[in-house]
Amino acid sequence: GAVVSQHPSWVICKSGTSVKIECRSLDFQATTMFWYRQFPKQSLMLMATSNEGSKATYEQGVEKDKFLINHASLTLSTLTVTSAHPEDSSFYICSARDPWVGNTEAFFGQGTRLTVV
Amino acid sequence: GNSVTQMEGPVTLSEEAFLTINCTYTATGYPSLFWYVQYPGEGLQLLLKATKADDKGSNKGFEATYRKETTSFHLEKGSVQVSDSAVYFCALTPYNQGGKLIFGQGTELSVKP
Repeated sequence: GAVVSQHPSWVICKSGTSVKIECRSLDFQATTMFWYRQFPKQSLMLMATSNEGSKATYEQGVEKDKFLINHASLTLSTLTVTSAHPEDSSFYICSARDPWVGNTEAFFGQGTRLTVV
Repeated sequence: GNSVTQMEGPVTLSEEAFLTINCTYTATGYPSLFWYVQYPGEGLQLLLKATKADDKGSNKGFEATYRKETTSFHLEKGSVQVSDSAVYFCALTPYNQGGKLIFGQGTELSVKP
């Protein structure tokens, strides 16, 4: 099956700094990628849809200036958490859609655990 | 709007017991339905899916049937194992929005030997 790689798998940063998370589709070209956030023992909440070559579409309540998404190539999307604060600590997961594997299925990265101290 | 509701956990079962995790959904049109599993400290893995009414998804002994009349997609397994202990998420992809997933709140399953 299609493989999506996320990096780093965990990161600790100081409050006020910015952190970049990468999501790569390794064996397919992903025109669309998705970013989710998961708080401990809670569900995944869709943050934004990342479209190659255009601006991301953010879900209601997600600050686009706080969570910068760039999808500059067909195999890479990045999420930058700007001026991170402890409340941004969470598990961030990306997924990517392989347009050649049906219209429905998305493949997930292994997730990035962000801790802001 | 689109939403997914799962039965609350945690669910604790003995090995070889029968498992049911209820899932109902609200959606316009004809969504695709999924069950994902998340093992401790890991990302999500697709367990099974169904893309149209009356389809049955199955994998690793788990089954779920897409019931449009009751807007449900309940997960079942006849005999659970300790290794099935994980969090299970029901999810839908709205019609014509391939890849986008709306998740239920997740149900934690703990299987005791």
